[in-house]
Amino acid sequence: GAGVSQSPRYKVAKRGQDVALRCDPISGHVSLFWYQQALGQGPEFLTYFQNEAQLDKSGLPSDRFFAERPEGSVSTLKIQRTQQEDSAVYLCASSLLSREPQHFGDGTRLSIL
Amino acid sequence: DQQVKQNSPSLSVQEGRISILNCDYTNSMFDYFLWYKKYPAEGPTFLISISSIKDKNEDGRFTVFLNKSAKHLSLHIVPSQPGDSAVYFCAALRVSGYALNFGKGTSLLVTP
Repeated sequence: GAGVSQSPRYKVAKRGQDVALRCDPISGHVSLFWYQQALGQGPEFLTYFQNEAQLDKSGLPSDRFFAERPEGSVSTLKIQRTQQEDSAVYLCASSLLSREPQHFGDGTRLSIL
Repeated sequence: DQQVKQNSPSLSVQEGRISILNCDYTNSMFDYFLWYKKYPAEGPTFLISISSIKDKNEDGRFTVFLNKSAKHLSLHIVPSQPGDSAVYFCAALRVSGYALNFGKGTSLLVTP
């Protein structure tokens, strides 16, 4: 498809497990963003890539969160030793350039038991 | 601290009438504003944007107004349709920035 694709759509994990969330951006989009959306809140910025370079990771809540985009296309957000407060919807967005409107995927809903 | 505020969690409007969604911001470094629409279990979809050098931008039934002195923007939908029922997020970008700062959203219900 032409849009941003995220997988899995839903992920349930036990506390302490590691999880990996995948994002396939729109082809040709240079900029890629990850956001975290808690229930009843707006999305909050986590990290930003320009091609394969991670230019900003200031929004990552802790060093348990790690993101990569090794070939400048698909990106993976990894959360190690998950905790209950990590439960949220994780949204990926891409744009042609950094200040163009961002196009969002449908998100991964992560539930930590 | 919440730099983009949408103080109305919900709004109900009759079909055919005008919907007005409001957004306030506190950071004077914001120079670009966007509205996103979100259906349940889907990601936000870009609707319309406005640069701080303008005070109005129109796209079909959707118009965004920006009042910089009041740090306030609003989205007008005329006429409202049942398919417009969704959560609307206001978002802002800082000068030279790229990370969207979102409000908490306003849930719009358009009734037949």
